[in-house]
Amino acid sequence: DTEVTQTPKHLVMGMTNKKSLKCEQHMGHRAMYWYKQKAKKPPELMFVYSYEKLSINESVPSRFSPECPNSSLLNLHLHALQPEDSALYLCASSPRAGDNQPQHFGDGTRLSIL
Amino acid sequence: EDQVTQSPEALRLQEGESSSLNCSYTVSGLRGLFWYRQDPGKGPEFLFTLYSAGEEKEKERLKATLTKKESFLHITAPKPEDSATYLCAVHGYSTLTFGKGTMLLVSP
Repeated sequence: DTEVTQTPKHLVMGMTNKKSLKCEQHMGHRAMYWYKQKAKKPPELMFVYSYEKLSINESVPSRFSPECPNSSLLNLHLHALQPEDSALYLCASSPRAGDNQPQHFGDGTRLSIL
Repeated sequence: EDQVTQSPEALRLQEGESSSLNCSYTVSGLRGLFWYRQDPGKGPEFLFTLYSAGEEKEKERLKATLTKKESFLHITAPKPEDSATYLCAVHGYSTLTFGKGTMLLVSP
C-alpha cells in the first residue's frame, strides 16, 4: 500500500465544471509535488511545494490551481479544463525539495474531460 | 538540460530468462539516480536509489548498478509478476528528470 493517498481515484468532468484533487501524506515530508502523466509517457512535473510554499510552477496553465493547506495535504483545483487535460494526475512527496532522497508517489487520479 | 534515455522501449522475456535494462543519462551534478516500477493505472513504486559510480543495490530478483554515464537494472530469473514499466529518473540541481521507461513483459 502506498503511503501517499490520492482522492478521488477516478474523475469525469465537463469543461465548465470546477473540481478538486486531494493528496495526503503522513510521512513528515516537507516537499510535495504534482505530476501529469499521459498514456505511455513519463510523469511531467507541474508544481513543487516546499514547506507549504509554492517553489516551482512549470508554466502550468492557470486553469490548474494548487494549494497546500498544511504540511500533510496538497490540493489541485481544476476549472475550465480542456479535453487534452485528460491524464493521470500523480502526487508525490519527499523529505525536502531538491535533496537526494526519493520521491514517493500516490496511485493517482485518472481524470477524463468530456 | 538533464537528459535520460532508456532502452529498450519494450522487452519481452520468458519466465526465468535473465536480462538487463539500460538507463543512459547526462546531468549537471548528479544528486541521485532512481529506479521505479509502474504498473498500469498505478503510481510509480520506488525501487532503488544510487548515488555514486560503482554503487550497487539489490532487491529480490532485481539488481541496480551505476557508472558515470549509465545505470543498469538487471533482472535475474524473472517471473510474470515482474511485468511492469520500469522508469529511471535522475536528480540534478533542481528537479527529477524521468526517462520514457522500459515496458517489460514476462511470459510464463
